[in-house]
Amino acid sequence: AQKVTQAQTEISVVEKEDVTLDCVYETRDTTYYLFWYKQPPSGELVFLIRRNSFDEQNEISGRYSWNFQKSTSSFNFTITASQVVDSAVYFCALRKGNNAGNMLTFGGGTRLMVKP
Amino acid sequence: GAVVSQHPSWVICKSGTSVKIECRSLDFQATTMFWYRQFPKQSLMLMATSNEGSKATYEQGVEKDKFLINHASLTLSTLTVTSAHPEDSSFYICSARDGASPWETQYFGPGTRLLVL
Repeated sequence: AQKVTQAQTEISVVEKEDVTLDCVYETRDTTYYLFWYKQPPSGELVFLIRRNSFDEQNEISGRYSWNFQKSTSSFNFTITASQVVDSAVYFCALRKGNNAGNMLTFGGGTRLMVKP
Repeated sequence: GAVVSQHPSWVICKSGTSVKIECRSLDFQATTMFWYRQFPKQSLMLMATSNEGSKATYEQGVEKDKFLINHASLTLSTLTVTSAHPEDSSFYICSARDGASPWETQYFGPGTRLLVL
């Protein structure tokens, strides 16, 4: 069975602070994909990143960075110099295999509030 | 990137009526579409997987007679909430799989908020 745990339900920071959102996953598959999505108040899910299980290289995209560590089954997401527009719910998700027909298993989400 | 639309974005209905929600892939063909449900401050829960031209596969605990899914074409799937009740009020989100993309990525629609009075 697959499981995604986002232990932080809510995080509140002040603008310009760095913040890390944790994601821990469980799977028995050797091939799997990890995702992060952003859900702003409007509700639409915004795709942020996909990472496959064979690629542990960390990634940076602007103020966003991701740290994938198979040894600890974690895929953490860091926002540097946070901005008010970063306020949203962030979901980590897991998909097994290399067939997108397999469903996404979502974590519980972390609500990030960035205060001016 | 690929776009998935949902219609309507908001619906308010009386208890006992049926509500149809459409999910369309606008610029790609979606052989598989997924329907999710999200209650306030909770995560997305997969309701069913819909393959074009075949019956949907429902997740455990989801009543297929209550939530009718039709995937009649490669660009359209519909979810009908039959005889809706207040407990069906929720945010419904669809996603569509682009089989032609290298990663067969799933793209999400903007969601439909249903309020049953």
